[in-house]
Amino acid sequence: KAGVTQTPRYLIKTRGQQVTLSCSPISGHRSVSWYQQTPGQGLQFLFEYFSETQRNKGNFPGRFSGRQFSNSRSEMNVSTLELGDSALYLCASTDREVGHYEQYFGPGTRLTVT
Amino acid sequence: GESVGLHLPTLSVQEGDNSIINCAYSNSASDYFIWYKQESGKGPQFIIDIRSNMDKRQGQRVTVLLNKTVKHLSLQIAATQPGDSAVYFCAENTNGNQFYFGTGTSLTVIP
Repeated sequence: KAGVTQTPRYLIKTRGQQVTLSCSPISGHRSVSWYQQTPGQGLQFLFEYFSETQRNKGNFPGRFSGRQFSNSRSEMNVSTLELGDSALYLCASTDREVGHYEQYFGPGTRLTVT
Repeated sequence: GESVGLHLPTLSVQEGDNSIINCAYSNSASDYFIWYKQESGKGPQFIIDIRSNMDKRQGQRVTVLLNKTVKHLSLQIAATQPGDSAVYFCAENTNGNQFYFGTGTSLTVIP
């Protein structure tokens, strides 16, 4: 099976702009989680989508949002970008349906806000 | 909230030696754990997992040990190779909810 894919791999944006990142999970996986990774904070959970519904949400401001499509692909959006949003954004997919929680990550999208 | 911490932020080992990376967790209800390896510029790579009904699980050159009494998890890498140099994270999960990650241990293998 193909792994988790994320696009784009790199992005440079300016403060105040918005950005949309995309994630395609492993075929058959219906759960997609998003994480922000920074050197200072490590891996922080943003949210999880399962069957197009947000299932869990981390402690991030409302500027961070996401959605999931019927084919399980997911997007996350960050509005009004701040310098502190510069990070590696990772998505991970899980096959929850059969009770297995192995979570596999994509390569990430490196977002730089200037 | 959850707390998953690592005992050592950095670890250096000689090539061929065994490596042990430790992780402490605080939620006694955690029932599933994963170890990840992250190389520079890449996403975390799944190494091995273990459920709370086990205390040991072995993979290829890796062994995970779980001590629920003291809420401690360890990853043992046998015959460490230069390609094992990376940051290693533990992650814990409770009842299939969100994963919580440790801060990571940077492993450097000295040739």
